[in-house]
Amino acid sequence: EADIYQTPRYLVIGTGKKITLECSQTMGHDKMYWYQQDPGMELHLIHYSYGVNSTEKGDLSSESTVSRIRTEHFPLTLESARPSHTSQYLCASTLAGNYNEQFFGPGTRLTVL
Amino acid sequence: ILNVEQSPQSLHVQEGDSTNFTCSFPSSNFYALHWYRWETAKSPEALFVMTLNGDEKKKGRISATLNTKEGYSYLYIKGSQPEDSATYLCASALLTGGGNKLTFGTGTQLKVEL
Repeated sequence: EADIYQTPRYLVIGTGKKITLECSQTMGHDKMYWYQQDPGMELHLIHYSYGVNSTEKGDLSSESTVSRIRTEHFPLTLESARPSHTSQYLCASTLAGNYNEQFFGPGTRLTVL
Repeated sequence: ILNVEQSPQSLHVQEGDSTNFTCSFPSSNFYALHWYRWETAKSPEALFVMTLNGDEKKKGRISATLNTKEGYSYLYIKGSQPEDSATYLCASALLTGGGNKLTFGTGTQLKVEL
């Protein structure tokens, strides 16, 4: 089983609140990713990082921001949550190099009222 | 094909049946094709990462083939069991993305009934 953790697993919050979704991995992986999935839709890449102090936006535009101050930690922040942010957010990591599988966390299911 | 497409969207089979799913992906700029299994309430788990045209990979009763020239991959499950019930995702990695950025299909949801 992959050692990648996400908290909280479920979050229901009101509009306008600031939230941070946590993602940590203990595998020493350099590369980390955040995906967003709406019901019945594909996983979409919203952020990725290839190492400490490296962050890039993914293919799907997102109002969230990320940081990578430590190798093992890749939190995602929404400054002001809106109902349109309601979705499932999955974090993943992989070894440096190519052709490597991604290891996924269990996800955070976010509902913004 | 610009996106990754999977078919069928869902499938119900009986225990012991063999089944297969299709993943279509952009053939130009191809780098790798990933297959993941996602069981309810669990994390997606990698099955295969395939890179070469004609590749065939096997893990137990599950196998996959790859055709990079025409842009498709098949996933086969032999003798389906209830524990095979899951959503099967494929994802394409492009050369321009450095092989690390994955584009996922919507998945094939498999239900194996007793």
